[in-house]
Amino acid sequence: GAVVSQHPSWVICKSGTSVKIECRSLDFQATTMFWYRQFPKQSLMLMATSNEGSKATYEQGVEKDKFLINHASLTLSTLTVTSAHPEDSSFYICSARGLAGDFRYEQYFGPGTRLTVT
Amino acid sequence: KQEVTQIPAALSVPEGENLVLNCSFTDSAIYNLQWFRQDPGKGLTSLLLIQSSQREQTSGRLNASLDKSSGRSTLYIAASQPGDSATYLCAVVNYGGSQGNLIFGKGTKLSVKP
Repeated sequence: GAVVSQHPSWVICKSGTSVKIECRSLDFQATTMFWYRQFPKQSLMLMATSNEGSKATYEQGVEKDKFLINHASLTLSTLTVTSAHPEDSSFYICSARGLAGDFRYEQYFGPGTRLTVT
Repeated sequence: KQEVTQIPAALSVPEGENLVLNCSFTDSAIYNLQWFRQDPGKGLTSLLLIQSSQREQTSGRLNASLDKSSGRSTLYIAASQPGDSATYLCAVVNYGGSQGNLIFGKGTKLSVKP
């Protein structure tokens, strides 16, 4: 199957700093990428959807100015957590889908990034 | 609004047993349903993808069924092994969504005892 990578796999940062997480599709072109957040013992919750070359669509309750998403190429999307606070500590997972507009196609998930804000 | 429910939340079985995990969804207008496995602290591994027009998919010891009209899916694991211990997540893609994102259940935590 297709491979999606995330970097870093884990990061610890101080409160008030910003952290950037990268999501890359290694062997296919990802027209659409999704960013999910998972709190301990909870399921994945969609934060935002990004389509290459356009602005991300954020889910209700997700602050677009705090969670900056850039999808500048067909193989890379980035999530920047700005002015991070301890409550932002979570497991962030991205997924990618190759073909635009055809929702039947499988999403491929990255391995996740564990963010801890101290 | 689509809601995905998984029962049971946790399951413990002895090695070798066959088992069934259940998933239900409230809106039957879906494109597809996927079953994933998640090990502690790790990302998701896709197990099976069932399109809305399909009834079941099989991969090795795993068999997933889909009854779209009743809003149910089951994941059958045959001859369970300790290595099957993980959290199993069910997720659907809605017709109603504009982006085709997955909507997840909370998962079933499976423990297979040697």
